[in-house]
Order: sequence, then C-alpha cells, then structure tokens
Amino acid sequence: EPEVTQTPSHQVTQMGQEVILRCVPISNHLYFYWYRQILGQKVEFLVSFYNNEISEKSEIFDDQFSVERPDGSNFTLKIRSTKLEDSAMYFCASKERGRETQYFGPGTRLLVL
Amino acid sequence: DAKTTQPNSMESNEEEPVHLPCNHSTISGTDYIHWYRQLPSQGPEYVIHGLTSNVNNRMASLAIAEDRKSSTLILHRATLRDAAVYYCIPASGAGSYQLTFGKGTKLSVIP
Repeated sequence: EPEVTQTPSHQVTQMGQEVILRCVPISNHLYFYWYRQILGQKVEFLVSFYNNEISEKSEIFDDQFSVERPDGSNFTLKIRSTKLEDSAMYFCASKERGRETQYFGPGTRLLVL
Repeated sequence: DAKTTQPNSMESNEEEPVHLPCNHSTISGTDYIHWYRQLPSQGPEYVIHGLTSNVNNRMASLAIAEDRKSSTLILHRATLRDAAVYYCIPASGAGSYQLTFGKGTKLSVIP
C-alpha cells in the first residue's frame, strides 16, 4: 500500500540553524500538508499546499517557515533560523484530489538545542 | 471550526467492542466527520469518515446521529494494537481543508 515517507526520522540542530525536513507524498496525490506536535500537546496544522502554492497557513507558519515542491516527488519544509520552541514532531500529509482522506507520514522528530 | 467533546480516556478489554463517542453540536451542514487515531510515537492514521449515513470499513464502523450533532466510532473487537488516541474531527473534506485536532480519547486495551 502506498505511503507517505519522511526524512530524516530524527534531526538535532543548534538554535539559529536552518533545517529542511523532507517528505515524499503518495504519488498521485495533489494536496500536501505539514502539521506539528510539540511533546505532550495536540497535533497542529501548519500549512497546506496545492498547485504549487500555499492554500492555507496557520499563525504558527510565520516568515521563518517556507515550503517547496522542488521536483515531482518531494515536498519540503524549511525553518530558516530555528528556535528552541520549534522542537516538535513534524508530520507531512497528502491527499488525493476529489477524496476526503489525508494520509500522514511517520514524522520527523526535531530537537533544537 | 466545529468544537468537539470527547472523553479524555476509555478502557476496553481485548476482544470486546468499544464505542467511542464524540459530540460536535456546532458542525456545519457540509462538514464530514473524520476519525483519525494516533498510535504511540506514530503519525495520525485515518480510521473512517462519514457525512450523514452510518459507514463501515475494515477497521471500524461510524454511527452518525440523525441531527449530526454527535457520532460514535465502533471498534467491533478491540485488539492491543487498537490502543491509541482517537480523534473526531469535523472538516470539509473538499479541497485543501485542514484538520483541527483536539485532545482526543486515549483508548487503553486490557489483555
């Protein structure tokens, strides 16, 4: 069964450094998402992406964040200058056009020191 | 976004049915009711969704109240692998809608 994959599974970085989290959505899906979950807290929506542009973004998704689909398969989340409070699990999800279900990846655990 | 109310936690014995309730009294007329679950240290996983009629799939059944203000996720025979946090999420389903997760119900399955 096709699945969303994410790399790396874990990333440790120093505060102020840039990180890029990578996702490979399911191949025929056209809607892409990033969510995050701070340890012990709810899963929070960050951004949705369709037709090579951002469809919606939350208040969390400020100027430090950006998303890109650099080729036909990858979907990336970049954090330009990481802060301690960016430490969280980051989940990518994708959805097929005309369907209602989002499929999530296993997540990247980001730790900012 | 529609506000949801779910029990913080529930317990079930293995092999027995589990009924997980959700109140969503402010749901809009076009929102689907989505159920996801999150196993420990994993990403959210789709379980089932419906609009008005009851729905069945290989994982679960979804019973939707006639007024759509509440729904119940039914696991017919709980297994240890079903121990997870279950989220009820009213959402559009169309286009690039976002999922708004609450705290969900933590289901424990007792062997």
